[in-house]
Amino acid sequence: DVKVTQSSRYLVKRTGEKVFLECVQDMDHENMFWYRQDPGLGLRLIYFSYDVKMKEKGDIPEGYSVSREKKERFSLILESASTNQTSMYLCASRAFGVTYEQYFGPGTRLTVT
Amino acid sequence: AQKVTQAQTEISVVEKEDVTLDCVYETRDTTYYLFWYKQPPSGELVFLIRRNSFDEQNEISGRYSWNFQKSTSSFNFTITASQVVDSAVYFCALTLKTSYDKVIFGPGTSLSVIP
Repeated sequence: DVKVTQSSRYLVKRTGEKVFLECVQDMDHENMFWYRQDPGLGLRLIYFSYDVKMKEKGDIPEGYSVSREKKERFSLILESASTNQTSMYLCASRAFGVTYEQYFGPGTRLTVT
Repeated sequence: AQKVTQAQTEISVVEKEDVTLDCVYETRDTTYYLFWYKQPPSGELVFLIRRNSFDEQNEISGRYSWNFQKSTSSFNFTITASQVVDSAVYFCALTLKTSYDKVIFGPGTSLSVIP
């Protein structure tokens, strides 16, 4: 079974703090993704990566950056957290090739006060 | 433009009833993939099924079945003899072969199964 883990289930940070959300997958997947999920707005893609050190902007990259130094790990960085970044953050991974489904982690509920 | 519509925002059924979750999609591409995901209260999205645009065969997996009809651009999901553990938000999703890393998710249908 594919296993995607995220470093924290719940996180509370203050405005202006630098925040790191970590995601690790154990299935040697090439592609990894970060989404945020908000009521009424659904799931929105922030960034994705198709290889180590490679990244692509998603639909809402502003205020975020990412890092992928190793294949199994994909980090989302909030350089200076703001209250409008309070959200549920979901990481996903996908194998490159003919299957296109993504496998998700349990999510991190981030609150910025 | 691509779009996924799930007209049912919330559904409530009594345990053991059958329930169908509707999904309608829009795309002009001829090669695409459709998915259903389940998000229980714990938060993790769980992949349930994938269908490609060339495979209209319906599928049954235990109490779950899926009906894909290209003529009506629908990919509906039926749960037979619902159980409390089926309570979750269900998302229908679409991705195109030309941009398979961009998944268009529907807004989700929240299903409550009452004991």
